[in-house]
Amino acid sequence: GAGVSQSPSNKVTEKGKDVELRCDPISGHTALYWYRQSLGQGLEFLIYFQGNSAPDKSGLPSDRFSAERTGGSVSTLTIQRTQQEDSAVYLCASSLGLAGTNEQFFGPGTRLTVL
Amino acid sequence: AQSVTQPDIHITVSEGASLELRCNYSYGATPYLFWYVQSPGQGLQLLLKYFSGDTLVQGIKGFEAEFKRSQSSFNLRKPSVHWSDAAEYFCAVGASGGYQKVTFGIGTKLQVIP
Repeated sequence: GAGVSQSPSNKVTEKGKDVELRCDPISGHTALYWYRQSLGQGLEFLIYFQGNSAPDKSGLPSDRFSAERTGGSVSTLTIQRTQQEDSAVYLCASSLGLAGTNEQFFGPGTRLTVL
Repeated sequence: AQSVTQPDIHITVSEGASLELRCNYSYGATPYLFWYVQSPGQGLQLLLKYFSGDTLVQGIKGFEAEFKRSQSSFNLRKPSVHWSDAAEYFCAVGASGGYQKVTFGIGTKLQVIP
């Protein structure tokens, strides 16, 4: 079946504009994660969804960042009033559910460039 | 808080040579440990994982890793590297129990020379 998909693959925006990044998880995966990958920084956890609720938002770097998930499926990460330091690759992953042993499957990422 | 250290940012090996990528973790209990690979332009792919049991774990593409609790290490090894192994490798630690909040290391970029 299809893997995790993300759109757009690349996004270039101007400082101060809002952007929306989309993630389509693997069908049937109830857990969904967002990460940010910055050059030289590794992967940074942003937020975790179980179903439509987000029990862990601890990684969101500021209140300009928000995410939602609808229908237990698609998730959108929104960044308001983008700043240059938001430039990074945003990765989405999904897994079968709550168990910590479940493998996370990653999407190809969205490369965000803020000019 | 859990953390992962990958001390080598960049490693170069010759094709056919053996490989060891180092990973040290910090976690208060028995961790879940992972190695992921990210090829250029690709998403992350799970190479192998350790949850419990045998401390020597076999993964895909001929990789293996050994969990050493006394050293808080989970080093990745491959006896003979192929040019296609050139990629970035990430070690990660997750909390045992509960959902899988994973903390990743900074990554090790592997270059393979002919």
